[in-house]
Amino acid sequence: DAGVTQSPTHLIKTRGQQVTLRCSPKSGHDTVSWYQQALGQGPQFIFQYYEEEERQRGNFPDRFSGHQFPNYSSELNVNALLLGDSALYLCASSRGWTGGRTEAFFGQGTRLTVV
Amino acid sequence: AQSVSQHNHHVILSEAASLELGCNYSYGGTVNLFWYVQYPGQHLQLLLKYFSGDPLVKGIKGFEAEFIKSKFSFNLRKPSVQWSDTAEYFCAVNHGSGNTGKLIFGQGTTLQVKP
Repeated sequence: DAGVTQSPTHLIKTRGQQVTLRCSPKSGHDTVSWYQQALGQGPQFIFQYYEEEERQRGNFPDRFSGHQFPNYSSELNVNALLLGDSALYLCASSRGWTGGRTEAFFGQGTRLTVV
Repeated sequence: AQSVSQHNHHVILSEAASLELGCNYSYGGTVNLFWYVQYPGQHLQLLLKYFSGDPLVKGIKGFEAEFIKSKFSFNLRKPSVQWSDTAEYFCAVNHGSGNTGKLIFGQGTTLQVKP
């Protein structure tokens, strides 16, 4: 049973560019969340997708956008990259819309470096 | 704003020592509580969770945590650590009402166990 898979694992981009990160949820999961983890910090919630709609959003600018596809996979897009966007981006999947009483499974993350 | 505070940023123990990692959160309503662990080079994994009921919860690998509502705390414990427990530990919270898959993480505690 495949867990949460993310691609690519590492990425280097130049300031001002755009980037797309991808996530395939664990089998049987239909909810995908994205987190940003800066070095030495805990993950910070970016947004969550369920039924192809953004359901919740954290305190991130509109440069951060996402999408969920009918097969539940998801993309995170970041426009106009800043040096401060350098971080580990984590995808988490879970099953259903259960009021938070659910276990989130995390992928290995995509390490984004903006130069 | 809701927040999670982990008091110990870096803990060094010898094998067989007892462990207690502190976690406090700042939300007065119903919460769901989690401890996640990240072993070197691996993804975040759930150690244990609390939704309701017995405030003392047991997780994998001999870990347990106690929810003390009056103290807004959810401390992680293990009676005897092993070298293989070397990892980063994150406490996380989400709200219990409505759907809030949004997890709020503490900044993490790095545990180093010396053989």
